Amino acid sequence: AQSVAQPEDQVNVAEGNPLTVKCTYSVSGNPYLFWYVQYPNRGLQFLLKYITGDNLVKGSYGFEAEFNKSQTSFHLKKPSALVSDSALYFCAVSALSTDKLIFGTGTRLQVFP
Amino acid sequence: EAGVAQSPRYKIIEKRQSVAFWCNPISGHATLYWYQQILGQGPKLLIQFQNNGVVDDSQLPKDRFSAERLKGVDSTLKIQPAKLEDSAVYLCASSSAGTEFQHFGDGTRLSIL
Repeated sequence: AQSVAQPEDQVNVAEGNPLTVKCTYSVSGNPYLFWYVQYPNRGLQFLLKYITGDNLVKGSYGFEAEFNKSQTSFHLKKPSALVSDSALYFCAVSALSTDKLIFGTGTRLQVFP
Repeated sequence: EAGVAQSPRYKIIEKRQSVAFWCNPISGHATLYWYQQILGQGPKLLIQFQNNGVVDDSQLPKDRFSAERLKGVDSTLKIQPAKLEDSAVYLCASSSAGTEFQHFGDGTRLSIL
C-alpha cells in the first residue's frame, strides 16, 4: 500500500533563511511525487512534481524538491524564505499505474519577519 | 482558464440532515475527484470519475454518501444522513488525460451541529 509521512507538524524559519519541509514515501514500483500548498480557506495549489529524470525538481514560487530513491524521500526546499510562503504544505504520492493521490498529513510552514 | 468551481463555500447543518455539494471541473477535464479533508489531516480520496463512469469509490461510505456525474461534466456529492464525523472540507479536483497533476477547487467547508 502507498503511504506518505510528513514528520513535522510545523516548521518555523526566519525570512531570508533557507527552508526544508520533509517528506518520505512508500510505494510499490516507481513513484509519482507531488508537493501542494494550501492557503487558508483555499484549495490545494500544485507546486511541483517528480515523475522521472533529474532528482532535483524546480517548481513554482522558487521552490524545489530533491528526490532520493535510496532514502525514499522527497524534501521540499527553498533557498530564501518569504513571509508570504507561510501556509500548509502537503506531500503526495501515486503509483505509476494509477493517478490516485495519497497525501501526507501536512506541514505548517511559518516564516517570521 | 477558469478553475474548478465549487458551491456552496460553507454549509452548516444538523446531524441526520442531508446536504449536497456541487463541482464544475475545468472545461475539457475528463477526470473528476472528490476528496474529504478533515481538520489536521491530508485530503482523502472519496471517489474518482472518468467522464461519467466511476473509477474508484473504495473509500466512499456508501451507506450515506453518494455522487454522480451524469453528463461527464459537473458533479454532485450528497450526504444523507449526516453524522458529526462528516465535518470536513470537501474538495473537488479535475485533471485531463496526460496531465500529471490535479487542479483543486477551493472546497466546501461542512459543519455538523
